[in-house]
Formats: sequence, structure tokens, C-alpha cells
Amino acid sequence: NAGVTQTPKFRVLKTGQSMTLLCAQDMNHEYMYWYRQDPGMGLRLIHYSVGEGTTAKGEVPDGYNVSRLKKQNFLLGLESAAPSQTSVYFCASRQDRGVETQYFGPGTRLLVL
Amino acid sequence: GNSVTQMEGPVTLSEEAFLTINCTYTATGYPSLFWYVQYPGEGLQLLLKATKADDKGSNKGFEATYRKETTSFHLEKGSVQVSDSAVYFCALSERASGTYKYIFGTGTRLKVLA
Repeated sequence: NAGVTQTPKFRVLKTGQSMTLLCAQDMNHEYMYWYRQDPGMGLRLIHYSVGEGTTAKGEVPDGYNVSRLKKQNFLLGLESAAPSQTSVYFCASRQDRGVETQYFGPGTRLLVL
Repeated sequence: GNSVTQMEGPVTLSEEAFLTINCTYTATGYPSLFWYVQYPGEGLQLLLKATKADDKGSNKGFEATYRKETTSFHLEKGSVQVSDSAVYFCALSERASGTYKYIFGTGTRLKVLA
């Protein structure tokens, strides 16, 4: 039982390049979340999903897209990376409506030059 | 909207010292409150939680009590160890649009010296 995993662990992009971050969970959780963590700002919610095939915007969605084609995977895409998207990205999952605890992945460090 | 405010760090303590990390919140309803811990190079892990007023969450020697009258959820530990060095996040969950959303504080870095 690996929990929540994220791929890749670290990536360097040039401005304008695109990439996809993959989050996978093996706990059969319904809900999944993407956050970014920036110094002095805590975690901010980018997008989330309440089940397979669903996505919704969070607090800071601009410049990102997501997809949840399979229940266990939640993909975060950057179509045209900008230096402002340099951050550490965390994925989290949660079991279902009645359980509030989130489980986090180890994070992806992204540097946009 | 709802918010979480944590004391700024870093907090530096000697081993076996008493720890308090302050956390206060604003909320329109009755959120659940959490403390998460992030060890170097890792993701966040749930440390403890409380779901209603006067509840006390505890784990690994850490405690926090949900104080509705002071809107606080301060984290305490009686005797810290070097292995407690990490970043601690206070958070609340609010129900919105049919699901729970989480609001995190900015985090407090704790460094424990041997």
C-alpha cells in the first residue's frame, strides 16, 4: 500500500514549456486535491475532484488544468509554464464525504526559468 | 472568509523544552481543526485533529484543544526531541459546494537542538 505517490519529484522547465504532474493513490479514495506551497503562504488549493470524471476550481486555478479520467489518478497540467509557477506541488486524497482527513503525497518541486 | 493564523517561526528550542505553537482561526460555522507536520523533504502528515468544541486531539506527545470561546487550537508538547524538528501547519476544514475544503496556516518551522 503505497498511499499517495507523485511523479516526478523534481523538474526544471523553461518559460512557455508544458508538463503534466501525476498523482496516484491506491486507497480507493473519492476525493483528490492539488495544492501549491510557497514560502510564507502555506498551502493553496489549485483544483480538486470529488470523484472520477469530475474536477473543480480551487483558490488559485489560473494557468493550470486537471483531469481525473481514472479514480486513482489526478493529473495537473501546465500548458505554458511561467516563473510564477515555481513552487512545490502537493497532491492529497480523502476517502469520502464523511471522512475529513487528507493524505498527502511527497510533493513535486518545480522550477520554471 | 474563513482563515487560519499561526505564529511566525522559526521556533528554536533545546531538547526537552516545552513547546507551544499558537493557532487561531476565523470561521462562520463549526469547522474541524487539524495540525499537520511536514518533515524535511516529505509531504504533510496528519498529527492530530479535533472535530468539535472542547475536544482534545493528541498524538506522539503533542496535544491541542479546540477552544471555541477563543477560536484557538494551540499545539503543545511537554518535552520536545530533536526528531520533532519540522514544519507544523494548522488547518481547518469547511464544508463548501458539497465537499470539504481546507484552509491552511502559513506553517511554523520548529528546530530542536540537542
